[in-house]
This record gives sequence, C-alpha cells and structure tokens, in this order.
Amino acid sequence: AQTVTQSQPEMSVQEAETVTLSCTYDTSESDYYLFWYKQPPSRQMILVIRQEAYKQQNATENRFSVNFQKAAKSFSLKISDSQLGDAAMYFCAYRSAGGRNNDMRFGAGTRLTVKP
Amino acid sequence: NAGVTQTPKFRVLKTGQSMTLLCAQDMNHEYMYWYRQDPGMGLRLIHYSVGEGTTAKGEVPDGYNVSRLKKQNFLLGLESAAPSQTSVYFCASRRTGGYNEQFFGPGTRLTVL
Repeated sequence: AQTVTQSQPEMSVQEAETVTLSCTYDTSESDYYLFWYKQPPSRQMILVIRQEAYKQQNATENRFSVNFQKAAKSFSLKISDSQLGDAAMYFCAYRSAGGRNNDMRFGAGTRLTVKP
Repeated sequence: NAGVTQTPKFRVLKTGQSMTLLCAQDMNHEYMYWYRQDPGMGLRLIHYSVGEGTTAKGEVPDGYNVSRLKKQNFLLGLESAAPSQTSVYFCASRRTGGYNEQFFGPGTRLTVL
C-alpha cells in the first residue's frame, strides 16, 4: 500500500517570508496524482494545489508552488510571501491513477504557524 | 450549492450506543468517502462508494457500516460505539477522474465515553 510521509510535524515562518513543507511517498506505480490540502482551525479541508505524476512541470497556484521530484518520490510545497491566513495544518495526499480503488492516502500533516 | 454537508456536527455517545452520521452532496458526484481524523495520523479512509448502491471497505473499516441508497447521500453507522471511535469524521465526494478534487464536509466531532 502507498504511504505518505510528512517529516515535519510543525513549521513556523515569519509573515512575508517563504516556507517549504516536505512530503515523500512510497509507491511502485508510475501514474498517480498528488495533492496538498490545507485545514485551518475551522476544520474545513481546502485544496491548495495538485500535480499529475506524468507532468514534469511543477504546478503553481498564485503564492503556492510545488517541487515534484518523481525519481526521489518527493512532493514539497512552497509558500511564498506567507500571510497570517496561511496558518493551518497542511496535508499531503496521494491518489493512484489506476483501478476503482483510487482513494487518497494522507500524510500525518504539518502544522504551520505564521508569525507577524 | 451547499456542497458537502454533514449531520450532526457534534455528538457524545456512551459505549455500546449506536448512531448514524449523514453525508449529503448536491454536486451529482459519483464517488463518496468517509474518513476519520485522529491527532498525529492524518485522515484515514473508513469506507467509500463509487456509485449509488455500491460500497467498499477502506483502510480502517472495522466497527463501521455504510449505505448509499441514494446518489447524493452516504450514511456511516456505528452499531456499538467504542471509546476508540472517538474521532473527527469527514465525508468527501468527487467526480470520476483521478485528477479531480475531493470536496470535504465540515466534519463531525464524535466522543464516545
């Protein structure tokens, strides 16, 4: 079974600075999808960014970008110009592209604190 | 659109009691999921459904049952609640296609005493 590892339980960043959250995954598949979700104190899960494994170009969404290293099975999230509203739990997730059992596997999460 | 809604938002049960959590989505999504979230463990899949009338087990299905009699609803049942089932439960749904985003409900905090 695929596993997703987030090795940083907690991270902090100064407002307006840049922070990178790490994520690695274990899989034998070649085709899959990767996601970053944000969970603020409200508990609502919000999609931040996603990446298709067959695309070499890293995905970007405004201040959020990823560094996808397929060979290293690494999918880090970079947040630029951090804002107070970025403070949240961030979850990395993996989804297989094949078969009907293509559920998501989540990492344990990284709690991001933004300091004013 | 209301998106994904969950009922109730909070519940306290005594050991051995039963209850049903209701998830509803108004986006005509084929796939629906039930997850539990425990501290330090992220979200773990309990059961899922790929369409009306179908259900399948996820990573942690023991102690739970589900039903999907209508496409828009996905019910999660606890027949005999145990303290180990104290958790926050999330429902999610999405369209077919692996790249598609999962939309989550607001969660249900369940405490079993």
